[in-house]
Amino acid sequence: DAGITQSPRHKVTETGTPVTLRCHQTENHRYMYWYRQDPGHGLRLIHYSYGVKDTDKGEVSDGYSVSRSKTEDFLLTLESATSSQTSVYFCAHQFDRGNGYTFGSGTRLTVV
Amino acid sequence: AQSVTQLGSHVSVSEGALVLLRCNYSSSVPPYLFWYVQYPNQGLQLLLKYTTGATLVKGINGFEAEFKKSETSFHLTKPSAHMSDAAEYFCAVSEAFGGYNKLIFGAGTRLAVHP
Repeated sequence: DAGITQSPRHKVTETGTPVTLRCHQTENHRYMYWYRQDPGHGLRLIHYSYGVKDTDKGEVSDGYSVSRSKTEDFLLTLESATSSQTSVYFCAHQFDRGNGYTFGSGTRLTVV
Repeated sequence: AQSVTQLGSHVSVSEGALVLLRCNYSSSVPPYLFWYVQYPNQGLQLLLKYTTGATLVKGINGFEAEFKKSETSFHLTKPSAHMSDAAEYFCAVSEAFGGYNKLIFGAGTRLAVHP
C-alpha cells in the first residue's frame, strides 16, 4: 500500500506474552507513526519516530515500546499483552508536515 | 491541546443526495486539517487536506471541504452520494513539530448510502 506494509495482518496471542508488530516502508521517509484504532475512539497515537533511533511517546504509550534501527523498519512491541490491547494497529509514514500520512493496511491483534 | 470533534457517529443518505460530514477542531495555532476515508478491512486513505491558501479544498472522488476559521470547522461535502461512498470518514488536525506533525483524529463518522 503505497510503499508501506505491516506484518502480520492478523494475530491471536495469549495474555502475558510479548508481541512484536512490524512496519516496513520502501520510500525512505523519515517520519513514522504507530496508531491503534478502537470503536468510538478513532485513531490514537502510540509512538512515533522522527529518524533512526529517534522515537517518542504518543498519548497511549503505556505497555508499548518501539524500535527503529533502520529507516525502513519501525517495530511496535507489546511487552506483556493484555486484553485491553486487542485492537487494530496501523502504521503510517509521512514525507513532511505539509503532507498527510500514508497508512499501512493494519494488523488486527486479538489478546485472549 | 488540539482536538477534533466529528458530529454524528453514523450518517445515512440516499444515493444521489448531498453528503455532509461535520468536523470541528480546536487549535491554538493555524491548523493543518485532513480528511481520511477507510473502507472495510483497509487502511486509511487521504481524501483531502488544508494547509494554507484557498479555504475550499477539493479532494478525490468528488469530495470537498471548506476551512472556516471563524467557526473552527472543516466540514466534508459531496453533492451527490454514490453507493461506493459507504465507508468510515475521519477528520484530523495536525500538531506541528519542526518538519513533521502528529495527527489528532476524530472518532469517525460511518456513512451509509442506501438506494
